Amino acid sequence: GAVVSQHPSWVICKSGTSVKIECRSLDFQATTMFWYRQFPKQSLMLMATSNEGSKATYEQGVEKDKFLINHASLTLSTLTVTSAHPEDSSFYICSARNPTGRGGTEAFFGQGTRLTVV
Amino acid sequence: GQQLNQSPQSMFIQEGEDVSMNCTSSSIFNTWLWYKQDPGEGPVLLIALYKAGELTSNGRLTAQFGITRKDSFLNISASIPSDVGIYFCAGTPTGANSKLTFGKGITLSVRP
Repeated sequence: GAVVSQHPSWVICKSGTSVKIECRSLDFQATTMFWYRQFPKQSLMLMATSNEGSKATYEQGVEKDKFLINHASLTLSTLTVTSAHPEDSSFYICSARNPTGRGGTEAFFGQGTRLTVV
Repeated sequence: GQQLNQSPQSMFIQEGEDVSMNCTSSSIFNTWLWYKQDPGEGPVLLIALYKAGELTSNGRLTAQFGITRKDSFLNISASIPSDVGIYFCAGTPTGANSKLTFGKGITLSVRP
């Protein structure tokens, strides 16, 4: 299947600092990428939809100034957690939809980023 | 909003056994996707279904898109220890840019 690469796989940062997570589609161009957050033993919670060349669409309750999303190219989207606090510690996962795949709706996920804010 | 129901939350089977997981929705979905997630990793796509009634296999895995378009099942045959993980169903209602709706996942344990 298609490959989506997420970096870093884990990061520890101090409270108050910002952290950037990258999501790349390696073998296809993704006009749409998605950012999820996952708490232990729970399902994926969609945070925002990242659209290439335009502003991201955030889900209700997700602070857009806190979680900055940039989708500058068809193969790269970034999520920046600004002024991180311990409650932002979580597993963040991106996914990218392959528009040329069958049905154009298959979504492939990155490996995830474990963020720990101390 | 749309929800996908997966139950039970956990399943325990013996190595070599077959297991079936179901996913239901209160509304119609045009696409059904099944993912497996290992601890600390992102979900991996197992099978994608696009037509009502479609039956698709991927090795020991078989999934079907329900005729009513409100359900799907995933079968794993002859389970092995590496089948352990969380299995999520996901669906999308319309179009190529629709957001995926996820079930809560089923944690599968396989006893050797």
